[in-house]
Amino acid sequence: NAGVTQTPKFQVLKTGQSMTLQCAQDMNHEYMSWYRQDPGMGLRLIHYSVGAGITDQGEVPNGYNVSRSTTEDFPLRLLSAAPSQTSVYFCASTKGGLHAGELFFGEGSRLTVL
Amino acid sequence: LAKTTQPISMDSYEGQEVNITCSHNNIATNDYITWYQQFPSQGPRFIIQGYKTKVTNEVASLFIPADRKSSTLSLPRVSLSDTAVYYCLVNQAGTALIFGKGTTLSVSS
Repeated sequence: NAGVTQTPKFQVLKTGQSMTLQCAQDMNHEYMSWYRQDPGMGLRLIHYSVGAGITDQGEVPNGYNVSRSTTEDFPLRLLSAAPSQTSVYFCASTKGGLHAGELFFGEGSRLTVL
Repeated sequence: LAKTTQPISMDSYEGQEVNITCSHNNIATNDYITWYQQFPSQGPRFIIQGYKTKVTNEVASLFIPADRKSSTLSLPRVSLSDTAVYYCLVNQAGTALIFGKGTTLSVSS
């Protein structure tokens, strides 16, 4: 059972470039989300989805787009990367439902924007 | 969105019991409380979840008073490997799961 898989693990971009961080889960979870983690800031929610076709903004959505065309996949797109988006990104999923259960996290993607 | 408040940091010594308290004043009737642990360069991992009173597993205990406006994670006899960041979350049905800054626990020998 693979759990939550994130790719790539490391990426270096130049300012203005675009890229997509991939996230896939094989647990048939309804809820998926993206967080970014910066030193001293904890984890901040970027976007989340409560099911296929449904997405919503989190705490820090600016500069990021998401889509949820299938239950399994929840890609995060940076359309025009900025140095402020240098961070570690975590994708997470949970079964959802009445109160949501345990969040399962990917291993993280470390992004550097020059 | 449910907001939680935790101490920024705590220090302890090996073998001591550590209690981390989280405040969640606007918790709703159907919300659960969940705690996570995060080590450097890793994603958070689930520790324990509860709704009211006391929940215990092989790792920790979670105490929730009757008004449910706070909760306390109790780690018995901590070791150096318990040095990590601990997050308290309020799970609201169908909404975003917000982590906050967490509590950095440092365990010394």
